Amino acid sequence: GQNIDQPTEMTATEGAIVQINCTYQTSGFNGLFWYQQHAGEAPTFLSYNVLDGLEEKGRFSSFLSRSKGYSYLLLKELQMKDSASYLCAVRDGGFNKFYFGSGTKLNVKP
Amino acid sequence: DVKVTQSSRYLVKRTGEKVFLECVQDMDHENMFWYRQDPGLGLRLIYFSYDVKMKEKGDIPEGYSVSREKKERFSLILESASTNQTSMYLCASSAEDRESYFGPGTRLTVT
Repeated sequence: GQNIDQPTEMTATEGAIVQINCTYQTSGFNGLFWYQQHAGEAPTFLSYNVLDGLEEKGRFSSFLSRSKGYSYLLLKELQMKDSASYLCAVRDGGFNKFYFGSGTKLNVKP
Repeated sequence: DVKVTQSSRYLVKRTGEKVFLECVQDMDHENMFWYRQDPGLGLRLIYFSYDVKMKEKGDIPEGYSVSREKKERFSLILESASTNQTSMYLCASSAEDRESYFGPGTRLTVT
């Protein structure tokens, strides 16, 4: 089966750093994706990892450990506009199917 | 920019009605997906298509069907709408081995 876990909600302060974790157990693996979703809007792509290690994109970084079934999204220099839900998704190894976690709602406070 | 459009942002239908949700993408993507998103349950895959006239069931296909007659268009059909199909429906498309691009969503209410 497919199981993707993320914390439901997190709170952090403007200017700080926050790490959102994602653990997964899937029958196949062909990449892990992070999406951002503001309330009432569609998800938008943030980052992609298929090999172990850290991928950096400006204020956002994502890490993957395939052996541990673990990823995290790191957001630096938090801004109020970063308040959103962050979705972790795993692509199935055999097909172009994506399995999504329930999302982590991040609240950024002044 | 990739653009994925959906036919309606909000839709209200009665129980038993046949409902069509249309999705169009303009980037010649092979893969298209239909999800529903419910609070606490995240995004759940209903159906996906990897080519014209090809379709595969996702995790929750019951009560739904799909049609892909042209590469750019993927339709979701609720044969007989029920109240438990009230949800946000999101369409997405992707090129091979790449990230998905989502449409704005259709919030469907079945009364």
